[in-house]
Amino acid sequence: QQQVKQSPQSLIVQKGGISIINCAYENTAFDYFPWYQQFPGKGPALLIAIRPDVSEKKEGRFTISFNKSAKQFSLHIMDSQPGDSATYFCAASKNAGNMLTFGGGTRLMVKP
Amino acid sequence: DAGITQSPRHKVTETGTPVTLRCHQTENHRYMYWYRQDPGHGLRLIHYSYGVKDTDKGEVSDGYSVSRSKTEDFLLTLESATSSQTSVYFCAISEVTTYEQYFGPGTRLTVT
Repeated sequence: QQQVKQSPQSLIVQKGGISIINCAYENTAFDYFPWYQQFPGKGPALLIAIRPDVSEKKEGRFTISFNKSAKQFSLHIMDSQPGDSATYFCAASKNAGNMLTFGGGTRLMVKP
Repeated sequence: DAGITQSPRHKVTETGTPVTLRCHQTENHRYMYWYRQDPGHGLRLIHYSYGVKDTDKGEVSDGYSVSRSKTEDFLLTLESATSSQTSVYFCAISEVTTYEQYFGPGTRLTVT
């Protein structure tokens, strides 16, 4: 049972465009929603995260939008750059120190 | 990679042989985790530790065991490796009071 579903599996965006990756979750007990960025041969790196008490969080070109009633959250990458080309994972957790449940990942390619 | 090292980084082994992967951290974090990454599945939790000698099973623990005799080291053992355990294995750490998990560089294991 996949508790966090991520889409699309792959995404191609032109340089300067907006990349949007979506995730949906099932478990209403989740209270922490991070996004990770992974380059080939590297471990996932924490990019940005949100708690359900806010609907949006922005850090530089990266924004998380969160819709608690729909049980969905998304990552928006503004002014996408070729250096953003990587695999992105959404995840969810309940309580500090608990396991992360990951989505299946999105491979993003930003074309110059 | 947040003061986390994993060894070996690559390993090829034969079916039926025992394999031990090591995770070492210099952050003195209490929680440590082992995940495996497979295409389309994101990362899935194998085992985790919430302190020295305190461990528990994750989502995909069958065929794996762990040990933690020191705060800084968390070992993952495949008692008798199978081809289905071919994967990339990631160690992660976190503090008990926070949600953020930080990942190591990974170990690519191939079971032939």
